[in-house]
Amino acid sequence: DADVTQTPRNRITKTGKRIMLECSQTKGHDRMYWYRQDPGLGLRLIYYSFDVKDINKGEISDGYSVSRQAQAKFSLSLESAIPNQTALYFCATRVGGPNTGELFFGEGSRLTVL
Amino acid sequence: QKEVEQNSGPLSVPEGAIASLNCTYSDRVSQSFFWYRQYSGKSPELIMSIYSNGDKEDGRFTAQLNKASQYVSLLIRDSQPSDSATYLCAVSVPGSARQLTFGSGTQLTVLP
Repeated sequence: DADVTQTPRNRITKTGKRIMLECSQTKGHDRMYWYRQDPGLGLRLIYYSFDVKDINKGEISDGYSVSRQAQAKFSLSLESAIPNQTALYFCATRVGGPNTGELFFGEGSRLTVL
Repeated sequence: QKEVEQNSGPLSVPEGAIASLNCTYSDRVSQSFFWYRQYSGKSPELIMSIYSNGDKEDGRFTAQLNKASQYVSLLIRDSQPSDSATYLCAVSVPGSARQLTFGSGTQLTVLP
């Protein structure tokens, strides 16, 4: 089983619908992240969390919200999906501390908003 | 100016050749530098990290860092078709968050 699990892996939805992407991890890491990836734009940070009480906006948080239900679970919500939120979404985890930059990624959730 | 810039490619090299991937960054106080490999349809995986000026070698991979010129590169020796992937450069920005900023990636194709 994967250490970082994302559900659903693929989702097609319509404009205006609420969507939740879920992420769970068994690595025991405190830090969890949500990124989106678009062709030619690389990975862009949406939200990140250092523990269940510490949630921070990334560079593109507008239109998204998150919930850190437990150390191992971090969910991303689109309250009212729009077509330009069509993208590949990655959850990632990282151990804390300096010079420990390795991110461990989930397998990705491909979201299509029609 | 983007914080982390890479040539998008595609970069094509013949099998057995050296592939050279480059990355420049804008924040002079950046401290940690990483190369991730991403196969098509898959998630990124870390292949190299470098923290100080100079070269760091790991098997066929060599990361080179020059903080004065604000660039980091990845050399892949004896390139194999299995090296065909997109390579993402990532830079750690100092501060309490220490999150990574990614470049847009360079697509590498190794031709048999």
